[in-house]
Amino acid sequence: DAKTTQPNSMESNEEEPVHLPCNHSTISGTDYIHWYRQLPSQGPEYVIHGLTSNVNNRMASLAIAEDRKSSTLILHRATLRDAAVYYCILRDDSGGSNYKLTFGKGTLLTVNP
Amino acid sequence: GAGVSQSPSNKVTEKGKDVELRCDPISGHTALYWYRQSLGQGLEFLIYFQGNSAPDKSGLPSDRFSAERTGGSVSTLTIQRTQQEDSAVYLCASSFQTGTGELFFGEGSRLTVL
Repeated sequence: DAKTTQPNSMESNEEEPVHLPCNHSTISGTDYIHWYRQLPSQGPEYVIHGLTSNVNNRMASLAIAEDRKSSTLILHRATLRDAAVYYCILRDDSGGSNYKLTFGKGTLLTVNP
Repeated sequence: GAGVSQSPSNKVTEKGKDVELRCDPISGHTALYWYRQSLGQGLEFLIYFQGNSAPDKSGLPSDRFSAERTGGSVSTLTIQRTQQEDSAVYLCASSFQTGTGELFFGEGSRLTVL
C-alpha cells in the first residue's frame, strides 16, 4: 500500500480554519485520497475523498497538489466537535480489487475554545 | 436503525473463554470489514467479506480468531480461548460496493480479557 505521512498532532482555536496536511509522495495514478476521522470513543467516519481535483462537501474541503504528492484537508471553521484523529489514506478505487482502507496513526486535532 | 450496529458494546471475559461479537451492516451493503483497535493504537485490519465469502483473512492474528457472514448480512467474529492481548475495541464497517465508496463504521465492541 502507498504510504502517507501526517503530523502526529495539531492544535487549532474554535471558529478558525484548520489545514491538516498529508504527504503521499509514492502515490500511484489510480490511488484516491481518502480522509476519515475518529471522534473519541467512536468508530471512524468518512470525511471526504478525491483523485485529482479539489473537492468540497458539507464537512470539509480537500485540496490536492498538482503533482498529487500531497494534499490538505481544510476545516473552514473548527468547532469543539471537530476534535478527533484525522486519517489520510490512499486506496486504488479503479478496479475493485483493492478493497480495504489501511489506517496509519493519523493526526490528533485539538480544538481550543 | 440506519447505521452499522454492533453488539455487545462492552464485553468483559475471563482469560480462556470464548467470545462472539456481532455486526449488523447497513442493509444492501455487500462488503463488510472487521478491524481491531488496541488502546492508543491505530486500526488493524482483520478480515473482509464480499457477500458471504471472505477473500481476505490475512489480518486475523491467529487461528483462535474466526469470522463468518450469513445471508450476506450479519457477521460474527469469534475469538476462542481469549488472551489478555485480545483486549481491544473491535470495529465493523460496511460499504455498498467493494473497492469504492465510503466505509460506514459501527461504534465498536470493547472487549476486556481479565
